[in-house]
Amino acid sequence: RKEVEQDPGPFNVPEGATVAFNCTYSNSASQSFFWYRQDCRKEPKLLMSVYSSGNEDGRFTAQLNRASQYISLLIRDSKLSDSATYLCVVKRNQAGTALIFGKGTTLSVSS
Amino acid sequence: EPEVTQTPSHQVTQMGQEVILRCVPISNHLYFYWYRQILGQKVEFLVSFYNNEISEKSEIFDDQFSVERPDGSNFTLKIRSTKLEDSAMYFCASRPGTEAFFGQGTRLTVV
Repeated sequence: RKEVEQDPGPFNVPEGATVAFNCTYSNSASQSFFWYRQDCRKEPKLLMSVYSSGNEDGRFTAQLNRASQYISLLIRDSKLSDSATYLCVVKRNQAGTALIFGKGTTLSVSS
Repeated sequence: EPEVTQTPSHQVTQMGQEVILRCVPISNHLYFYWYRQILGQKVEFLVSFYNNEISEKSEIFDDQFSVERPDGSNFTLKIRSTKLEDSAMYFCASRPGTEAFFGQGTRLTVV
């Protein structure tokens, strides 16, 4: 089983739509979780950290379910500029420092 | 806003040659990373560096790779004898605590 798994998509949605991405991780000792965004041939950029209590940043909401080892990202009122690949990232444990990336989910928002 | 900077942005090298990729992490960050991304594939962890030594490395990071922090500001990745399959985007990242910030990457092409 891959350490971090995501549905690759693509997700094709119209502007204004709500879209949700899921991610599962295999290492139950994982401590920190993030969503990054990557535009074509660019560096990953931090979108948001994911906390156990869930967190929201404007149109973006992230949730973590440790029991199911599952992370989600919800994007409301999609904009054209949201088109990108969304990367689920997991830090293995407190002692380990590696951030492990999923392959990413591609979102395309059209007008 | 401080950022991670990488040079060069694009490097073309002949198979068997040595290359050095350079990074200037954000000052006061404690952890430094190198990642690579082969075209169309996921971002892969290579190595993490903390307190002037390697703290973790992946199975990709074999004897042909080495990292160095020569002068307290630069962070370099050396590939001793490049192979065609080393062609990829190489990203440097740094983090102060939990969240990591990436440089714009160096595209390495081995011919």
